[in-house]
Amino acid sequence: NAGVTQTPKFRVLKTGQSMTLLCAQDMNHEYMYWYRQDPGMGLRLIHYSVGEGTTAKGEVPDGYNVSRLKKQNFLLGLESAAPSQTSVYFCASSYSRYSGANVLTFGAGSRLTVL
Amino acid sequence: AQSVTQPDIHITVSEGASLELRCNYSYGATPYLFWYVQSPGQGLQLLLKYFSGDTLVQGIKGFEAEFKRSQSSFNLRKPSVHWSDAAEYFCAVGAGGYSTLTFGKGTMLLVSP
Repeated sequence: NAGVTQTPKFRVLKTGQSMTLLCAQDMNHEYMYWYRQDPGMGLRLIHYSVGEGTTAKGEVPDGYNVSRLKKQNFLLGLESAAPSQTSVYFCASSYSRYSGANVLTFGAGSRLTVL
Repeated sequence: AQSVTQPDIHITVSEGASLELRCNYSYGATPYLFWYVQSPGQGLQLLLKYFSGDTLVQGIKGFEAEFKRSQSSFNLRKPSVHWSDAAEYFCAVGAGGYSTLTFGKGTMLLVSP
């Protein structure tokens, strides 16, 4: 009964390094999302996926790439990390993209610090 | 595009007192509205949602919210706050159709003894 699992939970990077955050869900949800949470900014959508093999840009996509090769996994990549990408990243999934039924299940978050 | 405003960044309430967290939205048609709660170090959990019908909706943990179209509001209420309610609360709005949710900036609730 894991729901949405994010790895790693914590990571420290140096400017210019790359890394990938992994999100895995076991609810057979079609839709998956990556958000970032910054103090005073709430949650902002980075990228999302409406199904295996598809991705789309959200509100703040610059500097990030994503892939959805398997339905249960959604990867968020930083090719060249910048201090502005220091944040807490949340993955979420939903069974529907229709906003009337768009109840999101969230992971516990991944805290990333870029020095 | 839709937007949501949570006017209060922090609110402090005494344990046992009533609570009201404000949420105002901007959208031309009937929105889909949600309240989520985030406990420290955790992800967000759905408290309640409004899609249509009765404007007073009940959620988990004794919370309720009322949709007021005339005021473009969806305020969250609880009659008696418990120390375990201390958390950050997010209001979110969906525009209908196949749209993604837009979240407010959150209200941090502190509960004093």
